[in-house]
Amino acid sequence: DTAVSQTPKYLVTQMGNDKSIKCEQNLGHDTMYWYKQDSKKFLKIMFSYNNKELIINETVPNRFSPKSPDKAHLNLHINSLELGDSAVYFCASSTPGVNTEAFFGQGTRLTVV
Amino acid sequence: AQRVTQPEKLLSVFKGAPVELKCNYSYSGSPELFWYVQYSRQRLQLLLRHISRESIKGFTADLNKGETSFHLKKPFAQEEDSAMYYCALSGGSNTGKLIFGQGTTLQVKP
Repeated sequence: DTAVSQTPKYLVTQMGNDKSIKCEQNLGHDTMYWYKQDSKKFLKIMFSYNNKELIINETVPNRFSPKSPDKAHLNLHINSLELGDSAVYFCASSTPGVNTEAFFGQGTRLTVV
Repeated sequence: AQRVTQPEKLLSVFKGAPVELKCNYSYSGSPELFWYVQYSRQRLQLLLRHISRESIKGFTADLNKGETSFHLKKPFAQEEDSAMYYCALSGGSNTGKLIFGQGTTLQVKP
């Protein structure tokens, strides 16, 4: 009964490969997000989808493509992986409003070698 | 520009000592501020939000608009408080977007 779940938890892959990270939420939230936590633990938003519609795209390279088949799922596909893509990627969900709480997944640690 | 600054990367205190994790923000409108916490091997979770004016696990945070600060305080630190703490600002426009500070690792020593 995990609220926001991501798979896989760990992902090690070679440069140039294409990989996907999946995210699902069972909280009935309208909006889902992808955040990136870099090696210095800095957390920054990448994308946001509301009811399957992209509403935030924060200057992320085109190699990153989010896909939302329904409002409970938001997947992240990354093409031609680079060393600099190594990070922890967090999925989150919320129903935006005043002071609303965001619920986070456990994170996916991506290592590009 | 919207920005959150946490000046301390690491804060190390002894058990029972007071704790203050600093957070300053830059925002043109009426800010919505939060503290999130990430315990070891656990997911990021909400600790408290300014509008609730609540105390969670002994922590409080007061919004000071004059100083544009939202510092997190606890009078007596416990070892189980050791974690990464993030101050966050809601990005407005009802998007739910959160702008995070750089995070502060709190280490409470026995």
